[in-house]
Amino acid sequence: GQQVMQIPQYQHVQEGEDFTTYCNSSTTLSNIQWYKQRPGGHPVFLIQLVKSGEVKKQKRLTFQFGEAKKNSSLHITATQTTDVGTYFCVRSNTGKLIFGQGTTLQVKP
Amino acid sequence: KAGVTQTPRYLIKTRGQQVTLSCSPISGHRSVSWYQQTPGQGLQFLFEYFSETQRNKGNFPGRFSGRQFSNSRSEMNVSTLELGDSALYLCASSPGQGAHVNTEAFFGQGTRLTVV
Repeated sequence: GQQVMQIPQYQHVQEGEDFTTYCNSSTTLSNIQWYKQRPGGHPVFLIQLVKSGEVKKQKRLTFQFGEAKKNSSLHITATQTTDVGTYFCVRSNTGKLIFGQGTTLQVKP
Repeated sequence: KAGVTQTPRYLIKTRGQQVTLSCSPISGHRSVSWYQQTPGQGLQFLFEYFSETQRNKGNFPGRFSGRQFSNSRSEMNVSTLELGDSALYLCASSPGQGAHVNTEAFFGQGTRLTVV
């Protein structure tokens, strides 16, 4: 019902390669948030998308929200070792966060 | 502005005992939510409090409970601990209302609970 499905679960890339993680919901989302958790750390908010078809960029990171508001993606261009961590898509509903399973990114220097 | 503070950072308890974890939100934030993170189940929502009232609840047994005080600080309690309760427990704070009801959540460092 409320779950968001995220793929892939793991991704190993060579430094400089691109990376994409995908998030899907069976129901329409009012918003989607993305968080990053470094190894041994806590989730840190990256961005929130609200509008259908919305695209937002943060330096090498590009976030998209699907036209039907049922899917989202995070794309990292030219990965760096500092990008290592787990990326979560999250649906937010009045203080309640429902996390996807996360995509763990490892970057080989 | 101070961030979200969780205490203690680490805890070891024996099966059958009970434990209380504490979370101090960012000043001015009235919503505090709690999450359990395990390798197998990922990050799961426990409950959320807003202005001392439980506003949302996840699918955890009644052994897991919480409360929020008038200063927005929150505690969660787990009674009759089981081995499977070993996890990282995270709390998050946010403004929680109005135009900011679904804005970003700020997480604490978490409490690592080990049940032996």
